[in-house]
Amino acid sequence: NAGVTQTPKFQVLKTGQSMTLQCAQDMNHEYMSWYRQDPGMGLRLIHYSVGAGITDQGEVPNGYNVSRSTTEDFPLRLLSAAPSQTSVYFCASSYSGYTTTEAFFGQGTRLTVV
Amino acid sequence: GQNIDQPTEMTATEGAIVQINCTYQTSGFNGLFWYQQHAGEAPTFLSYNVLDGLEEKGRFSSFLSRSKGYSYLLLKELQMKDSASYLCAVRAWGYGQNFVFGPGTRLSVLP
Repeated sequence: NAGVTQTPKFQVLKTGQSMTLQCAQDMNHEYMSWYRQDPGMGLRLIHYSVGAGITDQGEVPNGYNVSRSTTEDFPLRLLSAAPSQTSVYFCASSYSGYTTTEAFFGQGTRLTVV
Repeated sequence: GQNIDQPTEMTATEGAIVQINCTYQTSGFNGLFWYQQHAGEAPTFLSYNVLDGLEEKGRFSSFLSRSKGYSYLLLKELQMKDSASYLCAVRAWGYGQNFVFGPGTRLSVLP
């Protein structure tokens, strides 16, 4: 199994540009999430989905959109990139919200906004 | 709200034992997880605790006290490859029971 696949691995954007970070999982997981990781701040939740057609905001949702049209895919859209969005982005999936299920992470996308 | 605290950095010697502490305050608690993250890589799952007490998994053990909002990860017989960041995460009732992560503890294992 491929697990959680993120593309691209690296991206440089100019301020104001838009782009979509792709995330796909092949484990039939219901839960999918996007996190950003900044030095000294740990992983912060941007948006999450508990199933196809259902999305909700996390801790830091401003400037990002998501959709979940299928169980497998959960793309993250940056509407108008800003330097504050320079970060490493991780997509994660888990079977459910039950206690004992851990999250599986993609390899990350390192985004730089200039 | 949610608040999770860990030491920023720790250093230990190869072959030694190290304990990484984590304190948390959450509105609702549904499990505490530990992840390992090597530099430039994705986090990978190490262990979880739901009930109070110690869970052992080879060289790694994790302890939880729900009444104190406290957990620790114990790494025994340290190896150079254990140099990584260790992330404490709580599954809490907010955000659809997603994980809330602490800032991570960067562990350096010296020869």
